[in-house]
Amino acid sequence: DVKVTQSSRYLVKRTGEKVFLECVQDMDHENMFWYRQDPGLGLRLIYFSYDVKMKEKGDIPEGYSVSREKKERFSLILESASTNQTSMYLCASSTGTANSPLHFGNGTRLTVT
Amino acid sequence: TQLLEQSPQFLSIQEGENLTVYCNSSSVFSSLQWYRQEPGEGPVLLVTVVTGGEVKKLKRLTFQFGDARKDSSLHITAAQPGDTGLYLCAGNNAGNMLTFGGGTRLMVKP
Repeated sequence: DVKVTQSSRYLVKRTGEKVFLECVQDMDHENMFWYRQDPGLGLRLIYFSYDVKMKEKGDIPEGYSVSREKKERFSLILESASTNQTSMYLCASSTGTANSPLHFGNGTRLTVT
Repeated sequence: TQLLEQSPQFLSIQEGENLTVYCNSSSVFSSLQWYRQEPGEGPVLLVTVVTGGEVKKLKRLTFQFGDARKDSSLHITAAQPGDTGLYLCAGNNAGNMLTFGGGTRLMVKP
């Protein structure tokens, strides 16, 4: 089974702090994704990566950046956290072949006060 | 950005009842996936439908992809408390990127 591990289940940060969310997958998947999940809005794509050191903006990249230095690890960075970034953050990976499913981590619930 | 509308947003039913969840768009998708998410966990894939008009069954769950590949439905027969969760549809465009619907939160009471 594919395992996608997010380093923290819960985080509480203050406005203006720099925040790192870490994600590791163990199945040698090419693609990795960061989503945020808010009630009624489903999952919205923040950034994704098709390869090491490669990144592409998703639908809502403002206020976020990412890093993929190794194939198995994809980090989401909030340069200066704001209260409107309070949300559930989900990391996912996939093989990248047509119609391949996303394999999700269990999420990090971030609260910015 | 392509939009996927899911309805209803919330559904609370008694064990044994049937229900249908709808996923609609004005855009055509190359395929559509359904996920279920339980509290404290990430979404897990239930099914992928690829062909217009396709019907797939997973025990008591029946998934249908619209003929024009713009919509899909999920029908659950004789719902069980274990079916409780958030159901998400996700459309796949030609670029192999997924667009998620807003989700349907289902509660099945014993």
